[in-house]
Amino acid sequence: QVQVVQSGAEVKKPGASLKVSCKASGSTFTNNYIHWVRQAPGQGLEWMGIIYPSGDGTSSAPNFQGRVTMTKDMSTSTAYLELYSLRSDDTAVYFCVSESPATGSLQYWGQGTLVVVSS
Amino acid sequence: QSALTQPASVSGPPGQSITISCTGTSSDVGNTDLVSWYQQHPGKAPKVMIYEVNKRPSGVSDRFSGSKSDNTASLTISGLQAEDEADYYCCSFASGITYVFGSGTRVTVL
Repeated sequence: QVQVVQSGAEVKKPGASLKVSCKASGSTFTNNYIHWVRQAPGQGLEWMGIIYPSGDGTSSAPNFQGRVTMTKDMSTSTAYLELYSLRSDDTAVYFCVSESPATGSLQYWGQGTLVVVSS
Repeated sequence: QSALTQPASVSGPPGQSITISCTGTSSDVGNTDLVSWYQQHPGKAPKVMIYEVNKRPSGVSDRFSGSKSDNTASLTISGLQAEDEADYYCCSFASGITYVFGSGTRVTVL
């Protein structure tokens, strides 16, 4: 059974930075693309970016370019999302998702991390 | 990169079939077979229902089917059941190794 476990909820001040972690089991981490998706309260899903299986490449949505960093620590099977210069509209649940190599779909979702940005 | 366009809501009585559309552009939906659909119940993480336009993952009911024509993808739910009531999102591979989600559709079983 594949498991993706994310770090806990956070409260941040405007202008601060955020770092969310995501630990995936075994081959799920080493062989799969990891996506980051967020969902603002009462809103739809928003794709943020992707990090390649080996961690040597990333791609992010135009809305986040220059404001996001995605990394992978292969030694601990943990992926990280960093988002800078937080604004109130960054308040959302952030999901880490492992792509299925068999289907190319966003198959294995973490439980989500609630981030509230408020002064 | 704008969200793909979906109807805000679709409804139907139990047993009926409904179809949700997902309209993009020639840079995303119209240019890829990497179109997938996700079901999300309140407070839960999304679940993939369809991948590569019309393929079902193991364990997903065959009442769910997908198709695509030009820049529009569609999800059909046949024999609507109470547990199908949820939000549904399409997702497409887009240019420059990016993805884009649809705006989401609330399905209500009357």
